Amino acid sequence: SQQGEEDPQALSIQEGENATMNCSYKTSINNLQWYRQNSGRGLVHLILIRSNEREKHSGRLRVTLDTSKKSSSLLITASRAADTASYFCATDAVRTSGTYKYIFGTGTRLKVLA
Amino acid sequence: DAGITQSPRHKVTETGTPVTLRCHQTENHRYMYWYRQDPGHGLRLIHYSYGVKDTDKGEVSDGYSVSRSKTEDFLLTLESATSSQTSVYFCAISESRDLAPQHFGDGTRLSIL
Repeated sequence: SQQGEEDPQALSIQEGENATMNCSYKTSINNLQWYRQNSGRGLVHLILIRSNEREKHSGRLRVTLDTSKKSSSLLITASRAADTASYFCATDAVRTSGTYKYIFGTGTRLKVLA
Repeated sequence: DAGITQSPRHKVTETGTPVTLRCHQTENHRYMYWYRQDPGHGLRLIHYSYGVKDTDKGEVSDGYSVSRSKTEDFLLTLESATSSQTSVYFCAISESRDLAPQHFGDGTRLSIL
């Protein structure tokens, strides 16, 4: 399986509730990023957390990183219908054979019901 | 939104034909990337560029070539398209390779019949 796998694959919540999605990865990283993708659009960068950081906030977003467990979580508080999208984590995997790798997970599809 | 334009946005073509996708940026960013997005696989890096005429392979580069003759343009070419290359292709740009967000275009939906 690939680096950067999100869990759950799909999540459906009511407006106003919190949404939590998780990302696990396999190898050491320098940083981890979270992106959002609305249907039919490109990915939009949300937040970057470095390997020496444990938590980061941006508006209603809270990201945590646990390098000992090789996992990260994205919490969206007080969700809105406009938060409906797919969310991806991305990690800068260790380079092998000189080939640069930047790995995206398969995403969590979040649906916020009004 | 970052100034990234992908063209065409949709294309249908036949197996064996050559296909070129274009990515144009107005941000003067050094790094440009081509990804493909398929169900169950997330985004996978095809090729990337770290400057004019400087390119390198990603994890799924077989069957694809790229060129970058100007800072603002990054071309992805399928020399002889196959049905397995049916996908949504995204271009992205970034100021640096590490510790910098990538900004994405809205994608090209390519269908190879």
